[in-house]
Amino acid sequence: GEDVEQSLFLSVREGDSSVINCTYTDSSSTYLYWYKQEPGAGLQLLTYIFSNMDMKQDQRLTVLLNKKDKHLSLRIADTQTGDSAIYFCAERDTGRRALTFGSGTRLQVQP
Amino acid sequence: DTAVSQTPKYLVTQMGNDKSIKCEQNLGHDTMYWYKQDSKKFLKIMFSYNNKELIINETVPNRFSPKSPDKAHLNLHINSLELGDSAVYFCAAASGGTYEQYFGPGTRLTVT
Repeated sequence: GEDVEQSLFLSVREGDSSVINCTYTDSSSTYLYWYKQEPGAGLQLLTYIFSNMDMKQDQRLTVLLNKKDKHLSLRIADTQTGDSAIYFCAERDTGRRALTFGSGTRLQVQP
Repeated sequence: DTAVSQTPKYLVTQMGNDKSIKCEQNLGHDTMYWYKQDSKKFLKIMFSYNNKELIINETVPNRFSPKSPDKAHLNLHINSLELGDSAVYFCAAASGGTYEQYFGPGTRLTVT
């Protein structure tokens, strides 16, 4: 079945760039997503990328997709303390019309 | 206006009780979902409805029964609650195409 993996924890200093990585196994994934979850809150869709794209930029966020290696990354430029949260990578399971989520990466931003 | 809302936000109950969680979306999307997030933050799909029709039913105990009275609502009823049911339950809604899913704020269920 599909599997999505992420590292569990990342710590950066305020103002630095953060890079959160994700690998997936389903080569037929058509869309890949990044969600943010702040403490006690639901998941907020940050951005998504279609599988025929290599890169997508949206303000401070840059998504890179290496389809050959099945590797997705989210770069946050000029990381702020408000970016501290758990970031989930997800892929769309075209067969089931559901998303398979990674385990989440907890980003800690130090002042 | 909240796009996807859930009630209640918190639910504390005893083992063996029956409880329901309600979800409503005002996005006009065709597909709604229930996810369970455990204490380690792992998210797993439970059910999905498309236009009131059940399309995903994962390996979930049959004590859990979803009900979709219309496209905008998807409720989750749980019978005979167990300690292991304690989790945060998220409702989500998505449209066709990119299937961007929009999540509700979650319902934290604690079974004592």
